[in-house]
Amino acid sequence: EPEVTQTPSHQVTQMGQEVILRCVPISNHLYFYWYRQILGQKVEFLVSFYNNEISEKSEIFDDQFSVERPDGSNFTLKIRSTKLEDSAMYFCASGTSHGVPEQYFGPGTRLTVT
Amino acid sequence: GQQLNQSPQSMFIQEGEDVSMNCTSSSIFNTWLWYKQDPGEGPVLLIALYKAGELTSNGRLTAQFGITRKDSFLNISASIPSDVGIYFCAGYYFSGTYKYIFGTGTRLKVLA
Repeated sequence: EPEVTQTPSHQVTQMGQEVILRCVPISNHLYFYWYRQILGQKVEFLVSFYNNEISEKSEIFDDQFSVERPDGSNFTLKIRSTKLEDSAMYFCASGTSHGVPEQYFGPGTRLTVT
Repeated sequence: GQQLNQSPQSMFIQEGEDVSMNCTSSSIFNTWLWYKQDPGEGPVLLIALYKAGELTSNGRLTAQFGITRKDSFLNISASIPSDVGIYFCAGYYFSGTYKYIFGTGTRLKVLA
């Protein structure tokens, strides 16, 4: 069964450094999403992406964040100048249609900012 | 902004018992979804509900979309140890663009 994959599974970085989190969505999906989950808290929407552009973003997704689909398979989240409070699990998800809300999540990347 | 409140926050139950949890909001949603998250993993979609009043089952799981469109519940029958995890509801609505919100989660622990 096709699944969303994410790399790395765990990333440790120093405050102020840039990180890139990578995702490979399910191959026939067209809509891509990033979510964040701070330890012990709920899943929070960051951004949705379709047709090579952002279609929706939350208040969390400020200028520190950017997303890109550099090729036909990868979907990346870049966090510039990381802060301690960026430590969280970051989940990528993909779906077949923006009007159909069923999304399939990857296993997540645990980001630890020290 | 929109918020989804889940209750209970956590629960311990005996294996074989039925479980019920719900999700409420002050706002209306077009779609309700239920996800399960195991420790260290991403949420896995369990059930999606598209119409007010809809009752849908997936094995031992049954979920309903409330008539008011402001709530949903999830039942698990005859719980087993692998049901342990965090259950999240998610609401989906259109307000200019599509918006997707997760609930606060119900942590389920099953005692064998």
